[in-house]
Amino acid sequence: DTEVTQTPKHLVMGMTNKKSLKCEQHMGHRAMYWYKQKAKKPPELMFVYSYEKLSINESVPSRFSPECPNSSLLNLHLHALQPEDSALYLCASSRSDATNEKLFFGSGTQLSVL
Amino acid sequence: DAKTTQPPSMDCAEGRAANLPCNHSTISGNEYVYWYRQIHSQGPQYIIHGLKNNETNEMASLIITEDRKSSTLILPHATLRDTAVYYCIVRGTGTYKYIFGTGTRLKVLA
Repeated sequence: DTEVTQTPKHLVMGMTNKKSLKCEQHMGHRAMYWYKQKAKKPPELMFVYSYEKLSINESVPSRFSPECPNSSLLNLHLHALQPEDSALYLCASSRSDATNEKLFFGSGTQLSVL
Repeated sequence: DAKTTQPPSMDCAEGRAANLPCNHSTISGNEYVYWYRQIHSQGPQYIIHGLKNNETNEMASLIITEDRKSSTLILPHATLRDTAVYYCIVRGTGTYKYIFGTGTRLKVLA
């Protein structure tokens, strides 16, 4: 199994809603990532979890709250988002931080905030 | 973190080689160069990576200059399915920061 699975594929939410994005991998990878991608722009790193601990937070607003309940699962909790947060949210994983490691990406969640 | 610069777009005739350049003039000695591509807002797909030597796999070849300040991804026989945005990424050793460049939108023409 070399897949990173993201759910849901599409999400529409109001600015007062609370929702969560889910990401799962069963490759035994110990690092998991959240990226945000606006239309026609490259993905931007948001968070990295390493061995289930938050390793990197790229100054992301607190309305985005990541969670890593176990080594296979990564969540992104969303609360009080703004319309400008509408984007494709990508999850990725890698075996570790060792040299030569590849990132494996999920297909993303397309989020629309109304 | 080293940054990468890529041309915004390129065209290539079907069946010809596509050569996609990337400039990474601030790269340090232990930073790898990775290439990914993204089709129709799907998740990025890994293509190839390298440190110093040229690399080849079933998808592409990666040519890194001797001073490591630039590299070229070569798709030897481009097909219509290779139409995508291609990203060059530099990643430092022991860090989780895979920082994407601006990408090149490759269009393969029939």
